[in-house]
Amino acid sequence: VQLQESGPGLVKPSQTLSLTCTVSGGSISSGGYYWTWIRQRPGKGLEWIGYIYHTGSTYYNPSLTSRIIISSDTSKNQFSLKLISVTAADTAVYYCARGDRVGLNNWFDPWGQGTQVTVSS
Amino acid sequence: DIQMTQSPSSLSASVGDRVTVTCRASQSISIYLNWYQQKPGKAPKLLIYAASTLQSAVPSRFSGSGSGTDFTLTISSLQREDFATYFCQQSYNIPYTFGQGTKLEIK
Repeated sequence: VQLQESGPGLVKPSQTLSLTCTVSGGSISSGGYYWTWIRQRPGKGLEWIGYIYHTGSTYYNPSLTSRIIISSDTSKNQFSLKLISVTAADTAVYYCARGDRVGLNNWFDPWGQGTQVTVSS
Repeated sequence: DIQMTQSPSSLSASVGDRVTVTCRASQSISIYLNWYQQKPGKAPKLLIYAASTLQSAVPSRFSGSGSGTDFTLTISSLQREDFATYFCQQSYNIPYTFGQGTKLEIK
């Protein structure tokens, strides 16, 4: 399985960040995986944003839940992230990844290569 | 949120050395702890899941141990390609959280 992020690299403050992850080598509608967004902000480490399960159920980071929507398009084998009302604090490298789980343990593998998003006017 | 604290934040070592990185959780997380390796400009790569299970194709010089709040990642004999940043990640509670990273540098 391979994942590839796409979307604009520059977003203006207060606007909406929209990213898409295209999955190849496997179907996002096949069971058991959690299609995930993670970001890495400068000097802030890695932050789990949320994921969408193959059923369409979504789980978001509570710190971001009021601003994010994760959705999927099974016909295109893609899932997407929308983050509204962005500020400079949302500047980061955004990764998509496949989440897997055994019991309560949930890990992320593989990851996309990441895409830099800068919020600036 | 569960806070994950790694130590040290950076470490200098030589090829062939045995190194250990520690990750401490702010509350018990059982064995729901994963380790990743990240090289500059690249995405993180899963090394170990469930505290001690080696991901497929990861060299056996990597090992993980621990449960509850204290975990370790050990590299038994450092190779040049192991110089990278290592992160731990808990999945006991949402939001899943990561340690701040340990940068392993060549001495």
